[in-house]
Amino acid sequence: AQSVTQLDSQVPVFEEAPVELRCNYSSSVSVYLFWYVQYPNQGLQLLLKYLSGSTLVKGINGFEAEFNKSQTSFHLRKPSVHISDTAEYFCALGDSSYKLIFGSGTRLLVRP
Amino acid sequence: KAGVTQTPRYLIKTRGQQVTLSCSPISGHRSVSWYQQTPGQGLQFLFEYFSETQRNKGNFPGRFSGRQFSNSRSEMNVSTLELGDSALYLCASSLNRQAQETQYFGPGTRLLVL
Repeated sequence: AQSVTQLDSQVPVFEEAPVELRCNYSSSVSVYLFWYVQYPNQGLQLLLKYLSGSTLVKGINGFEAEFNKSQTSFHLRKPSVHISDTAEYFCALGDSSYKLIFGSGTRLLVRP
Repeated sequence: KAGVTQTPRYLIKTRGQQVTLSCSPISGHRSVSWYQQTPGQGLQFLFEYFSETQRNKGNFPGRFSGRQFSNSRSEMNVSTLELGDSALYLCASSLNRQAQETQYFGPGTRLLVL
C-alpha cells in the first residue's frame, strides 16, 4: 500500500533561519510527489511538484525540494523563512489512480 | 481565471439531517475531486469525477455520494449526518485526468454536525 509520512508534526523556527520539512513515501510504482501549503481557513495551494528529471525542484515563495529515490524522501527546504510562511504543509503522493495520498501535515511556526 | 469556488463556506447541521455541498471548478477543468479534512484522520480522498462519471472512490460509507454536471460543476451529498462527519470538505479541480497534473483546491466548506 502507498503511504506518505511526515516525520514532524510541528517545526518551530526563528525568522530568517533555514528550515527543512521532512517527507518520506512508500510506493511500489512510480509516483509523482507534491508539496502543498494551507494557510488558516483556506484551501491548499501547490508549492512545487516532482514528476521526473532533475531531483531538485524549485517552487514558489523560495521553497525547494529534493527527490531521493534511494531514501524514498522528498524533503522541503527554504534557506530563510519569514513570518508569513507560518502555515501547515502537506506532502502528497499521486499515481495512476489519480487520487492524492497526503501525509499528516507539518505545522511550521515562524517566530520573530 | 477565477479559482475553484465552493459553497457554502460554513454549514451547521444536526445529526440525521442531510447536506449538499457545491463545487465550481476552474473554467475549462473537467476533473473534480473531493477530500475530507479532519484533525484526527487528516486529508482523505472521497471521490473523483470526470466527464460526469465517478472514476474513483475512497473508503467512505455509502452515505457519501456525489455527482458532476455537464458544465463540470460538482456536488457532494452526505445523508444521515453523524457527529464524525464534522470536517472541512475540500474540492479540487484539474484540466484533465492526468496523474501528474496539479490539482487546484478551493477554500473548502466547513461542516459542523451537532
